[in-house]
Amino acid sequence: AQSVTQLDSHVSVSEGTPVLLRCNYSSSYSPSLFWYVQHPNKGLQLLLKYTSAATLVKGINGFEAEFKKSETSFHLTKPSAHMSDAAEYFCVVSDAALDGGSQGNLIFGKGTKLSVKP
Amino acid sequence: DGGITQSPKYLFRKEGQNVTLSCEQNLNHDAMYWYRQDPGQGLRLIYYSQIVNDFQKGDIAEGYSVSREKKESFPLTVTSAQKNPTAFYLCASATINLAKNIQYFGAGTRLSVL
Repeated sequence: AQSVTQLDSHVSVSEGTPVLLRCNYSSSYSPSLFWYVQHPNKGLQLLLKYTSAATLVKGINGFEAEFKKSETSFHLTKPSAHMSDAAEYFCVVSDAALDGGSQGNLIFGKGTKLSVKP
Repeated sequence: DGGITQSPKYLFRKEGQNVTLSCEQNLNHDAMYWYRQDPGQGLRLIYYSQIVNDFQKGDIAEGYSVSREKKESFPLTVTSAQKNPTAFYLCASATINLAKNIQYFGAGTRLSVL
């Protein structure tokens, strides 16, 4: 069965400093992995998606994530935080194998709230 | 303007009352989903549908019901059997092409109990 663990419930950084949001996954086959962002009282927006084409995935707003199979990790990074990055971030794994399989339902981590100080 | 529309944005339920949350999409997606979000819990799947007139229970379906009479619409009813309905409800849709497999979300409905 697939699962995902976000290692920090809350991360606080200063504007202009790097962001690191940590995620570990568990999957019995090659997973599809995602990062979504949610601003307060809003829906979720896809930041980036890993589908095995490349281990370093670039997303929107300067975010990127690296898939490390040996560490079962998919950490989200950004070189320089902006005030508008303050939001909640969700690491997500799909229960569909990349080569086909089940319905493609998503399993969500519990979220990491990112605060950005001026 | 394509996307997923959830209404209302805020909803209040009285004791013993059923309420229905609306979700409409014009993305021509086959699959639609309902999630419940509680603080610190992430999103949990309530129901999903991959085709018209068919739907499956997710992880927390008790106290909820859905219908899928049209491809564009997937309303969720929170019944009186749901004893703790206060939460943020999110609807999503996706193609059933597993290679693409991206879910697009609406803006959510916040349900509170009076």
